[in-house]
Amino acid sequence: KAGVTQTPRYLIKTRGQQVTLSCSPISGHRSVSWYQQTPGQGLQFLFEYFSETQRNKGNFPGRFSGRQFSNSRSEMNVSTLELGDSALYLCASLPGTGNTGELFFGEGSRLTVL
Amino acid sequence: SQKIEQNSEALNIQEGKTATLTCNYTNYSPAYLQWYRQDPGRGPVFLLLIRENEKEKRKERLKVTFDTTLKQSLFHITASQPADSATYLCALEWAGNNRKLIWGLGTSLAVNP
Repeated sequence: KAGVTQTPRYLIKTRGQQVTLSCSPISGHRSVSWYQQTPGQGLQFLFEYFSETQRNKGNFPGRFSGRQFSNSRSEMNVSTLELGDSALYLCASLPGTGNTGELFFGEGSRLTVL
Repeated sequence: SQKIEQNSEALNIQEGKTATLTCNYTNYSPAYLQWYRQDPGRGPVFLLLIRENEKEKRKERLKVTFDTTLKQSLFHITASQPADSATYLCALEWAGNNRKLIWGLGTSLAVNP
């Protein structure tokens, strides 16, 4: 069974630009969560999607948005990039919402904002 | 608000010894507590989950304890190996927090041969 796939793995942007990151969950998993990881803040929850609906949202500004498609693949978008957005963005999948258990993480997308 | 603390200093131990990592939390006891391993540049990998009403959980060389009185979880790796070197993260979920996990910053473990 293929794991969680995130693309791109690395990207460099400049301030003011926007970026879209993609996540394909494990086949059969319908819940996708996104996290931002930085050395000082650790893993910070961004949002969770299930069946194309946002179920949970963290405390991030509106520049951070996401969506989920009917095949459970998810994208997140960050607009008007700031230097502080440089981070590892991680996607995790779960079989379904309401399940508490093992999160399956992808390898992440490393974003550098110059 | 809920806070989680893990040893910020790296832990260095000799191969074959037992590594013990700590995860402390404030305020209310979480419904679930999870431990993950993360290697540099990779995503976290799930290791163990322990529930509020469980005292201890084991999996091969790994053991997790949960003490709601001390508001602490201990994570043990027995007979440690250099391949165990990584950062270990604890994550807590509180009932009513709508399944949002709160994460510690992690503790770096180095097992020396």
